Amino acid sequence: NAGVTQTPKFQVLKTGQSMTLQCAQDMNHEYMSWYRQDPGMGLRLIHYSVGAGITDQGEVPNGYNVSRSTTEDFPLRLLSAAPSQTSVYFCASSYSSRAARAGNTIYFGEGSWLTVV
Amino acid sequence: DAKTTQPTSMDCAEGRAANLPCNHSTISGNEYVYWYRQIHSQGPQYIIHGLKNNETNEMASLIITEDRKSSTLILPHATLRDTAVYYCIVRVSPNAGGTSYGKLTFGQGTILTVHP
Repeated sequence: NAGVTQTPKFQVLKTGQSMTLQCAQDMNHEYMSWYRQDPGMGLRLIHYSVGAGITDQGEVPNGYNVSRSTTEDFPLRLLSAAPSQTSVYFCASSYSSRAARAGNTIYFGEGSWLTVV
Repeated sequence: DAKTTQPTSMDCAEGRAANLPCNHSTISGNEYVYWYRQIHSQGPQYIIHGLKNNETNEMASLIITEDRKSSTLILPHATLRDTAVYYCIVRVSPNAGGTSYGKLTFGQGTILTVHP
């Protein structure tokens, strides 16, 4: 059980380049999400998904695309990177069960440090 | 989602109890109170959550006032490794329907420093 795995851990991009941050979980969680954290700030929600084929926007979705073709994976795509997207990105997952009170716990990955120059 | 208000920073002596307050005066009936912490630049770590009753687990205790407008996270015997940023979050229960339970709104959190 590896939990929530993010790759890469560190990445430097040039302005205008595209890339995908990968997120995978092996806990059969329906819910997955992406957050970004800027220096000295709390986490802000980018996009989230409540199941395969279902995604929705969070607080700061502009400049990012997501898809959810499988339960396990939730990649975050930057189509044309900008310096404003320099940040630490966290992926998270949890169960969606209404019956399982304990399943409301959200687990986070260790983060991906992205620098856009 | 209801907003939360926490002190910017707190200090605690090692071995003593750390009591971290949180105000969530606009919380609604279907929202839980969650506490997470973030050590250095690691991913946030779940601590505890509750609806209206006090809760205790191996990490901490959560005391929620009767009107649910505020809560306190208690670390009974703080250690140096408890130095972190602590986030108080309110989150809609999945039982409320829809997908809004998926949204966690993080504030600035409380920087807890445990000193020897």
